[in-house]
Amino acid sequence: ETGVTQTPRHLVMGMTNKKSLKCEQHLGHNAMYWYKQSAKKPLELMFVYSLEERVENNSVPSRFSPECPNSSHLFLHLHTLQPEDSALYLCASSHGTGEEKLFFGSGTQLSVL
Amino acid sequence: GENVEQHPSTLSVQEGDSAVIKCTYSDSASNYFPWYKQELGKGPQLIIDIRSNVGEKKDQRIAVTLNKTAKHFSLHITETQPEDSAVYFCAAHRANSGYALNFGKGTSLLVTP
Repeated sequence: ETGVTQTPRHLVMGMTNKKSLKCEQHLGHNAMYWYKQSAKKPLELMFVYSLEERVENNSVPSRFSPECPNSSHLFLHLHTLQPEDSALYLCASSHGTGEEKLFFGSGTQLSVL
Repeated sequence: GENVEQHPSTLSVQEGDSAVIKCTYSDSASNYFPWYKQELGKGPQLIIDIRSNVGEKKDQRIAVTLNKTAKHFSLHITETQPEDSAVYFCAAHRANSGYALNFGKGTSLLVTP
C-alpha cells in the first residue's frame, strides 16, 4: 500500500449527474494533487493543494471542482461531465511543497455515459 | 514548456533479458528525473530517480543513466522477471518551476517466461 487511498475505485455516471471522488493520505504529507490519466497520453496535472490551499490549477474546466478540507483529505466534485472526461483520476501526495517525489493512490476509473 | 518524449511505447522481452527505455526532454534546466512503474489496477509508484548532478544511479536490477548534454535519460532493467511487466513512465522537473512533473506517455513492458 502506498498510504494514499482513493474511493470509489470505479464510477459510472451520466452527463447530468453530480458525484465526488475522495482521496485520503496517511503519510503526514502537506501537498496533495489530482492527475488525469487517459490512454496514450501523459499524466495531466489538474490541481495542487499545499497545506489546504490551492496553489495550482492547470486550466481545468469548471465542471471539475476540487476541495481540500484538511491536509489529509482531497475531493474532486464532478458535475455535468462530458464523455471525453472518462479517464483514470489519480490522487497523489508529497511531503512538501517543493518535494518532487509523489505517492499515488490506485485511482478512480471514471466512465461518463 | 517542458516536453518529454518516451520510447518505445511497447517492449517485449524474454525473462532474463535486459530492457531499456529511453526518454528525451526539451528543457535544459530540468534537474530531476524520476521513473514510475504502474501495475495493472494500481497507481504509478516511484522506482528510481536521478538528479542532474549525477550521471548514473543503480538499485539492484534497475539503473538510470542521464546524459545532460544530449538531454536524454534511460531506464535499464537487467535479469527481467515476469513481475517486471508493467507500464513505466519517465518524468522531468525543473526546480522552482511549479509543481508539475512532466511525464512521458509510458512504455508497456511485457516479460514473457
